Amino acid sequence: NAGVTQTPKFQVLKTGQSMTLQCAQDMNHEYMSWYRQDPGMGLRLIHYSVGAGITDQGEVPNGYNVSRSTTEDFPLRLLSAAPSQTSVYFCASSRDRLSGNTIYFGEGSWLTVV
Amino acid sequence: GDSVTQMEGPVTLSEEAFLTINCTYTATGYPSLFWYVQYPGEGLQLLLKATKADDKGSNKGFEATYRKETTSFHLEKGSVQVSDSAVYFCALSDLRVEGSQGNLIFGKGTKLSVKP
Repeated sequence: NAGVTQTPKFQVLKTGQSMTLQCAQDMNHEYMSWYRQDPGMGLRLIHYSVGAGITDQGEVPNGYNVSRSTTEDFPLRLLSAAPSQTSVYFCASSRDRLSGNTIYFGEGSWLTVV
Repeated sequence: GDSVTQMEGPVTLSEEAFLTINCTYTATGYPSLFWYVQYPGEGLQLLLKATKADDKGSNKGFEATYRKETTSFHLEKGSVQVSDSAVYFCALSDLRVEGSQGNLIFGKGTKLSVKP
C-alpha cells in the first residue's frame, strides 16, 4: 500500500518563487489536509478538504492555495515563497470526517526558502 | 477554542525506565484523543487512540487512558527501549461539535531520548 505520498521530499526555494507540493492518496479517502510543522509549535493546519471540489482554510492559510479536483490528489501551492514558509509540510488523509477515524500522514516535505 | 497541552521536553531516560508523558486537553465537545509518534527524519505515525471516556488505547507497550474528569490522556510505557527515541504528539479531533471539521489539534510535541 502506498498510503499518502508527498513530493518532493526536499526543496530549496528563493524568496518570491512559486512551487507546488504534491500529495496523493490511494485509499479513496474523502478527507485530506495539509499541516506545517515548526520547532516548538507542533503541527498547525493550513488547508483541508472534505471531498473533491471542496476546500477550506485552517489555522494558518495565508500564502498558500489548494485545490481538490480529484479524490486522490490535494496539491499545496506557494504562490510567492517567503522565508517564514521554511518548514516541514505534512499531507494527511482519513476516510471521512467522523471523529475517531485514523488520520494517515505522508512522510513530509522539507522546504527551505532563502 | 480547543487545545492540547503536553509536557515540554526533552525527556531523557535510561533503557528499561518507566515513561510518562502528560497530556491535557480543552474541548467543548466530545473529542477523540490520539498519540502520534515521529521517528527522526520520518512522518507521523498513529501510536494509539481512544474515542470515548474511560477507553484505553494501547500499542507497542504504550498505553493511554481517556480521563474525562481530569481532561487528560497521559502516555505511559513500563519499560522504554532505545528504539522508542522519537517525538511524541498528543492530539484531539472533535467532530461531534456543530461546525467542527474533524481536524486534528496537536500539542507541541515531546522529544524522548532513551540511552542504553
